[in-house]
Amino acid sequence: DVKVTQSSRYLVKRTGEKVFLECVQDMDHENMFWYRQDPGLGLRLIYFSYDVKMKEKGDIPEGYSVSREKKERFSLILESTSTNQTSMYLCASSLSGSSNQPQHFGDGTRLSIL
Amino acid sequence: GNSVTQMEGPVTLSEEAFLTINCTYTATGYPSLFWYVQYPGEGLQLLLKATKADDKGSNKGFEATYRKETTSFHLEKGSVQVSDSAVYFCALKTLSGGATNKLIFGTGTLLAVQP
Repeated sequence: DVKVTQSSRYLVKRTGEKVFLECVQDMDHENMFWYRQDPGLGLRLIYFSYDVKMKEKGDIPEGYSVSREKKERFSLILESTSTNQTSMYLCASSLSGSSNQPQHFGDGTRLSIL
Repeated sequence: GNSVTQMEGPVTLSEEAFLTINCTYTATGYPSLFWYVQYPGEGLQLLLKATKADDKGSNKGFEATYRKETTSFHLEKGSVQVSDSAVYFCALKTLSGGATNKLIFGTGTLLAVQP
């Protein structure tokens, strides 16, 4: 079975802190994604990666960066958190870029910025 | 551009009722279509998919048919259970100019099934 693991289910941080959200997949997938999910806005893509050390901006990259040093791990970095980054963060992976390959999601990290 | 429109929720049904959640899309080319489900406090799980026109995806009693002529992918289930209460997302994926293909999601439809 496909397994995408996010390191934390819940996090509480203070404004201005640096935050790392970690995601690991065990399926040797090429592509990995970070989304945020907010009520009424659905899922919005922050960044994605189609190979090790490769990354592309999604629809809302401002205030975020990512790192993919190994194929199985994709990290989302919030350099200096602000309250508007309070959200549910979802990581996903897919086998390849072809259109018929679904994305598989982790359980999410609910991040609160105080 | 590519987009997905879902019916707004919440949808409230009694157990054993028939379910339809409408989904229509706008896309260039030939997208693949997906339904995901999110149970409370969890991430998204793939429910079913269809990759070409007239394909029917099915899983756990849910079905959806890829209708190119009406650009729709409505989700149906003949008899819902309380355990089906969740948020349902329709999504599409199409070839783009980049190295990978992004999923475009609808805003989600909350289904609440009452005993």
